Amino acid sequence: GENVEQHPSTLSVQEGDSAVIKCTYSDSASNYFPWYKQELGKRPQLIIDIRSNVGEKKDQRIAVTLNKTAKHFSLHITETQPEDSAVYFCAANFGGGADGLTFGKGTHLIIQP
Amino acid sequence: DAMVIQNPRYQVTQFGKPVTLSCSQTLNHNVMYWYQQKSSQAPKLLFHYYDKDFNNEADTPDNFQSRRPNTSFCFLDIRSPGLGDAAMYLCATSRNAASAQETQYFGPGTRLLVL
Repeated sequence: GENVEQHPSTLSVQEGDSAVIKCTYSDSASNYFPWYKQELGKRPQLIIDIRSNVGEKKDQRIAVTLNKTAKHFSLHITETQPEDSAVYFCAANFGGGADGLTFGKGTHLIIQP
Repeated sequence: DAMVIQNPRYQVTQFGKPVTLSCSQTLNHNVMYWYQQKSSQAPKLLFHYYDKDFNNEADTPDNFQSRRPNTSFCFLDIRSPGLGDAAMYLCATSRNAASAQETQYFGPGTRLLVL
């Protein structure tokens, strides 16, 4: 079945440094790759997404890169701030359609002051 | 921010006692999803409605059912909750044209506790 692997499970960085989270997916038909941020007890919030027709997308301090050949995509957060601390999930749509998302297991990002 | 609304936010039920969780949306989105998220795990898709068409995931237990009486509302019914069904249940919606996946917007979730 569809599978999304996410690494690392925990990432601790100094405030102001960059953080990178990586995901790989198994379904070559997947064409939509969102990233969600989830704070404790709250709903997942979309922070950025990318489709398979582009290789990179940036929104202020957040960027996502996609390598369709290798079936992996990464989240990059620059100039990290304490409010970036949360669990981040990558996801991919299975079958390339609208049938829902398969999520990675999440990365707990800790920003050290 | 009340675009996807879930009620109640917390639900306590007894082992084996049927329970219904509610989701409504003001976005007029055609697709509604139910995810189960257990503690420290990722959300896992249970099923979704594409308009009126129900789509069940292969590994969703028969204990879980859903109803969508109209575009705005969708319900999750757990017929006989077990201790393992304690989780956060997240409703999400999207506006999908044809077969393309669009952004999914999540509700705040209902945390279910089974005693």
